Parts: sequence; C-alpha cells; structure tokens
Amino acid sequence: ETGVTQSPTHLIKTRGQQVTLRCSSQSGHNTVSWYQQALGQGPQFIFQYYREEENGRGNFPPRFSGLQFPNYSSELNVNALELDDSALYLCASRVRGGGDTGELFFGEGSRLTVL
Amino acid sequence: AQSVTQLDSHVSVSEGTPVLLRCNYSSSYSPSLFWYVQHPNKGLQLLLKYTSAATLVKGINGFEAEFKKSETSFHLTKPSAHMSDAAEYFCVVSDMDTGRRALTFGSGTRLQVQP
Repeated sequence: ETGVTQSPTHLIKTRGQQVTLRCSSQSGHNTVSWYQQALGQGPQFIFQYYREEENGRGNFPPRFSGLQFPNYSSELNVNALELDDSALYLCASRVRGGGDTGELFFGEGSRLTVL
Repeated sequence: AQSVTQLDSHVSVSEGTPVLLRCNYSSSYSPSLFWYVQHPNKGLQLLLKYTSAATLVKGINGFEAEFKKSETSFHLTKPSAHMSDAAEYFCVVSDMDTGRRALTFGSGTRLQVQP
C-alpha cells in the first residue's frame, strides 16, 4: 500500500469530451505529479505541482491541466479528448524538503478509454 | 536531456535461475536512477534507487543493481527468480537538477518466469 488512491479506476469518454481524474496523496506529501502510460509503454511525465502551483511540465499540450489542494488531493483535467489520450493515468506523490527520501509513491491509476 | 534505454523488451527465465534486466542511461548531470516494478493491475513499486552513494544497490525481494558510470549502465539482477517476480520492470532516471524530479521511464522489460 502506497497511501495514494486514484478515482475512478476505469472510465470511457468520447472524442471531444472533458475528463477529470482525482488523486488523494499521503498526509504531508506536498508534491504531486501525474504520468500518462500508453499501452505497452513506460509512463511519461505530464506535470508536477508543489504547494498548489505547477512547477514542471513535460511535453503535453495546455489542454492537460491540473489542480492541487491543501488537503493533499489533486486533479488532472483533460479537455477536448482525442483518441490518443486513451491510457493509464498515474498519480505520484512525495515529500519535498525535510524527510524527502527520493521515492515517489504511485497510485494504481485511472484507465481512460476515448472512443 | 536525459533518457533511458532498456535493452530487452521481454526476458524469459526458469524459476530458480538468475535474472538480468539491462538498462543504459543518458544524463547531463549526476543521475539518480531507479528500478520500478509493475504487476498487472497494480501501481508502480520502487525496487531500488541509486543516488550517488554506493554503486552496488540492494533493493527489495532480493534484487540489486550496479551503477557503472563508465558504461552508463544500471542493470538489475537477482540470483534466483521466483514465480512472483513475473511483472513489468522499468528503469528510470530522475531530473534532479531543477528540483523538479521528473522521472524519465524506459519502455519497460516484461519478465516471464517459467516453472
């Protein structure tokens, strides 16, 4: 158990729709990042939030956005869904600063299918 | 820019025989390197990490990896495979320079363990 929970576990959307994925991190984990894992590939970094502000982004367009809340929960929002957005979306959290062991704790992911 | 190459997409071994999963990395900085394991329908779990201390790193479940700077390699080994080791393994390099600590994953190696 990593202490990171994601919801929903599975969902199906159609092209052009919008989706919100949610993540609940361990208490005290002030940094959360999101990854996209397409079928048969390794996860790719989408972005990271630290103290409710985005402080790093991978090669993803602006229609991928996020929020981090003071209660250690976060959201990933994707607008104007495309077929290629079908993937497993992983949330990962850690402590940045004192107590940082360098380990990211991953949730089990939300599997998004876009039709 | 940093990158990771996992040299084998699929490795098959017999139970009780040694495991070798190969990984080469490229990084502009002194890298932090990790191995993660992903069992079906489970989240990513950290096996071990290298962060510029000892070059031979011991992890969980009997796995270990050796950091070889001259070869830019970080191969994962285990003396004796167990059926429960069957899973997808990812070699990962971390962007430590900016503090962002975005992870760059390899494409994965699927380990199959035959009885």
